[in-house]
Amino acid sequence: AQSVTQLDSHVSVSEGTPVLLRCNYSSSYSPSLFWYVQHPNKGLQLLLKYTSAATLVKGINGFEAEFKKSETSFHLTKPSAHMSDAAEYFCVVTSSGGSYIPTFGRGTSLIVHP
Amino acid sequence: NAGVTQTPKFRILKIGQSMTLQCTQDMNHNYMYWYRQDPGMGLKLIYYSVGAGITDKGEVPNGYNVSRSTTEDFPLRLELAAPSQTSVYFCASSLGLAGGQTGELFFGEGSRLTVL
Repeated sequence: AQSVTQLDSHVSVSEGTPVLLRCNYSSSYSPSLFWYVQHPNKGLQLLLKYTSAATLVKGINGFEAEFKKSETSFHLTKPSAHMSDAAEYFCVVTSSGGSYIPTFGRGTSLIVHP
Repeated sequence: NAGVTQTPKFRILKIGQSMTLQCTQDMNHNYMYWYRQDPGMGLKLIYYSVGAGITDKGEVPNGYNVSRSTTEDFPLRLELAAPSQTSVYFCASSLGLAGGQTGELFFGEGSRLTVL
């Protein structure tokens, strides 16, 4: 079994300040973890992925995430928010056991103020 | 490479009508999925397929049907449209995790369906 919890439904930051979007997961097997971004009225785009290699993963547009097994977390960060980062972000967990069925979090809406 | 292509992008249906959302991918992916997205609820899995001829129910399958006659195509059928099926539908595909694959999902652009 697997599940993912995004701890904040909305996060509001000012442009130029750091971004932290929180994600906790559970998985009976070694997990693969992903962050996807969805801009308004668009499809989902992969930001970054963790698949049992380096625990600190760098993605597109300056985002990165750190896999912490002891905390079962995969939080997404960015040092300095840009107005174009305003979007919906989804944390996704998959695992190697059983059928390959990715499980989505409910999403976090990132709001960036000028 | 076209990736994952969904049609139509927009559709308005009357209650009780039927329709098919088309999804095709040109990446030779075994896994294909249909999700629906409702505000604040993330993506819910409707049906998925692990290969041609094999389909299975996801979290919210009621009111929908699928088929997978080829690797490329995975259409979603709504038989008797209801207002509760008003949503945005996404098709996705993946190579899964076998053979060292990363499991990344590739998405279509979505189909916005309104049932009145």
